[in-house]
Amino acid sequence: RKEVEQDPGPFNVPEGATVAFNCTYSNSASQSFFWYRQDCRKEPKLLMSVYSSGNEDGRFTAQLNRASQYISLLIRDSKLSDSATYLCVVSLSSNDYKLSFGAGTTVTVRA
Amino acid sequence: DGGITQSPKYLFRKEGQNVTLSCEQNLNHDAMYWYRQDPGQGLRLIYYSQIVNDFQKGDIAEGYSVSREKKESFPLTVTSAQKNPTAFYLCASSSGRENSPLHFGNGTRLTVT
Repeated sequence: RKEVEQDPGPFNVPEGATVAFNCTYSNSASQSFFWYRQDCRKEPKLLMSVYSSGNEDGRFTAQLNRASQYISLLIRDSKLSDSATYLCVVSLSSNDYKLSFGAGTTVTVRA
Repeated sequence: DGGITQSPKYLFRKEGQNVTLSCEQNLNHDAMYWYRQDPGQGLRLIYYSQIVNDFQKGDIAEGYSVSREKKESFPLTVTSAQKNPTAFYLCASSSGRENSPLHFGNGTRLTVT
C-alpha cells in the first residue's frame, strides 16, 4: 500500500460548481497534513495546512478523519483559476522532517 | 524578500557527466530537502538535512550526493551513476517545527542526453 494515495482524477467541473476529493494515508502516527497546489511545470505551493478540527480558507475547506485515515479538500464556487493539480502531503510519523507526497488530483474548471 | 532560489532553471548535460544543482534559502530554516518529480508522478524524496553538516538519504538517494556546509545552502549533485537523471528537481525548506510546511524553490529541469 502506498503511503499517501490520491484519486488522480481528472475532475472536470463547470465554473461555480463544488468539487471535493480525498487523500488516504497509511501511517496512523502521521501528525502533519497539508494540501498543496501545483500548476503545470511549476513548483508546488502551499494551499493550506489541515488541522484536526477541520479548517476553512475562503472557498477551500479541509478536513481530517483520523479514524479512517484520510484528509479531504472541498472547493466551493469553483473558478477557472482553480484548475491545477492538488497534492496531498503527510508526515510519515512523529518525525515531521520527512513528508510524503501523493501523486496529485487534477482539477479542471471549465467556463 | 525571503525565499528559496534554485539555479539554473533549465540544465542540459551529456550522459556520463556529473552535474550540481544549486539551492539557497534565506528563510533561516533548519531543514532542507531535495525532491524529484517525473511526469504524472508525485514528488519523491532524494535527500534531506535537518541541520548543518548532517543529512539523510530519502527514498531514492542512489546516484545522488549532497552537502550541507552552510545553513543557507544544500546543493545536489547528480552523478553518472544515476540511471535515469532526466527529471524536474525541487528543493524545499522548512523550519522543522511541528506542522511547519515546506517552501519550494521554482525547480530545475534537468535533461540528460
